[in-house]
Amino acid sequence: GAGVSQSPSNKVTEKGKDVELRCDPISGHTALYWYRQRLGQGLEFLIYFQGNSAPDKSGLPSDRFSAERTGESVSTLTIQRTQQEDSAVYLCASTPGPTYEQYFGPGTRLTVT
Amino acid sequence: QQQVKQSPQSLIVQKGGISIINCAYENTAFDYFPWYQQFPGKGPALLIAIRPDVSEKKEGRFTISFNKSAKQFSLHIMDSQPGDSATYFCAASRKAAGNKLTFGGGTRVLVKP
Repeated sequence: GAGVSQSPSNKVTEKGKDVELRCDPISGHTALYWYRQRLGQGLEFLIYFQGNSAPDKSGLPSDRFSAERTGESVSTLTIQRTQQEDSAVYLCASTPGPTYEQYFGPGTRLTVT
Repeated sequence: QQQVKQSPQSLIVQKGGISIINCAYENTAFDYFPWYQQFPGKGPALLIAIRPDVSEKKEGRFTISFNKSAKQFSLHIMDSQPGDSATYFCAASRKAAGNKLTFGGGTRVLVKP
C-alpha cells in the first residue's frame, strides 16, 4: 500500500512568513511523529501524536512551532514567523502503535530566505 | 542525558570490505536501538534494530553489536556493496516515552567499486 506522504516536497519562503507542512500517514497508523533534519545532521524529534491522547510537544524548539492532527489522519506542522535557522528537512513518520517500526515520509525541504 | 553520539562522520570502504559505525548513548533507560539507512532525497528506512537484552543481532550482511555496560552499540556491514553507499543513523528510544527516537549525527558511507 501507499507509504507516508508529505507535501509540499520543497518550500521556499521569506523570513517572517508562516508555513504549513502536511503529512499523510499510512492508513490505520495510530502514532505519528514529526522530526527535523538540519543539513548534514541527525534528526531531531519535534512532536508525537498517539491516537486521541494529548500530543507530546516536548521537542518543539519554540512557540512559533505547532502541529495538529485530526483523529488518526492527516497532520499539519505550522511554523509562524519563519527564521533562517528553521531551514531544514521536516520529516514525518507513522507507526501502527508506539512500539512499532517508524515509517518515514520523504520529507519537506524548507528554505527560509 | 538524551544524547546519542555517532562516529565516524564519514567512511570510505572498498567493495567487499567491512564498514563499522559506532554509537554511544547516555540514557540507560533507552530500551530500543535501531539503525536507519537514508539515501539522498529520501526519508530514513529501518535497517536493523536491537533491544538491550541481547548482545548481537544479525540480518544478512548487517550485524548490530551491543555492549550494555559500556553503553555502546555498533553496526557492521559485511561484504560492502556500492549500493550500500548511503548515510546511516543510529538511534535510541524508550517505549515508555512513546518511542520518540533520539538520533546520532549520521555516518556517510561510500563504497568504492
